[in-house]
Amino acid sequence: DGGITQSPKYLFRKEGQNVTLSCEQNLNHDAMYWYRQDPGQGLRLIYYSQIVNDFQKGDIAEGYSVSREKKESFPLTVTSAQKNPTAFYLCASSMDSYEQYFGPGTRLTVT
Amino acid sequence: KQEVTQIPAALSVPEGENLVLNCSFTDSAIYNLQWFRQDPGKGLTSLLLIQSSQREQTSGRLNASLDKSSGRSTLYIAASQPGDSATYLCAVVLRRETSGSRLTFGEGTQLTVNP
Repeated sequence: DGGITQSPKYLFRKEGQNVTLSCEQNLNHDAMYWYRQDPGQGLRLIYYSQIVNDFQKGDIAEGYSVSREKKESFPLTVTSAQKNPTAFYLCASSMDSYEQYFGPGTRLTVT
Repeated sequence: KQEVTQIPAALSVPEGENLVLNCSFTDSAIYNLQWFRQDPGKGLTSLLLIQSSQREQTSGRLNASLDKSSGRSTLYIAASQPGDSATYLCAVVLRRETSGSRLTFGEGTQLTVNP
């Protein structure tokens, strides 16, 4: 089956710890994206990558880091510098500037 | 900066009713507009994509229109069903980039269709 997978579905961490969220796609899409969603709000762009070994900051990149070593993978690290990390994180991919396809999301809770 | 607004924030209708969800954006120079559906705790499902050169797109009971000059899009749902209950999100791409695109989202309309 073609699609986007995110793991894990739920993630719990203590404050001060870094955590890495996984995103994998087998759609052969060049572009990949990370969004954050808070309750009752729309999605906000954290980082995006248009091609392997290249990525750009989105609107709320502070406290996050990414890598794009393979076309299929775009992991997101939430660092201890992120002040409010508890949120629902969504990964997406697209071919060129067409439709974005989303994964099932990871709900991160930091206490 | 592009801003996207969706009205109403929540809508409750009886089954079978036709309904319209609204989306407005501040910068009319968009590249395309996409409507999504989100079920509670789930990812987003793409419903319709309208390119800037198009006026509408249809898929089954769904029809999305785009009026760039007024900065508005509507999502029309015909003969609503309880299974249509979800949050509907509108998102715009301001310009095409070399590869990929930056979506700016509205906050969504939470739809409840009552049996």
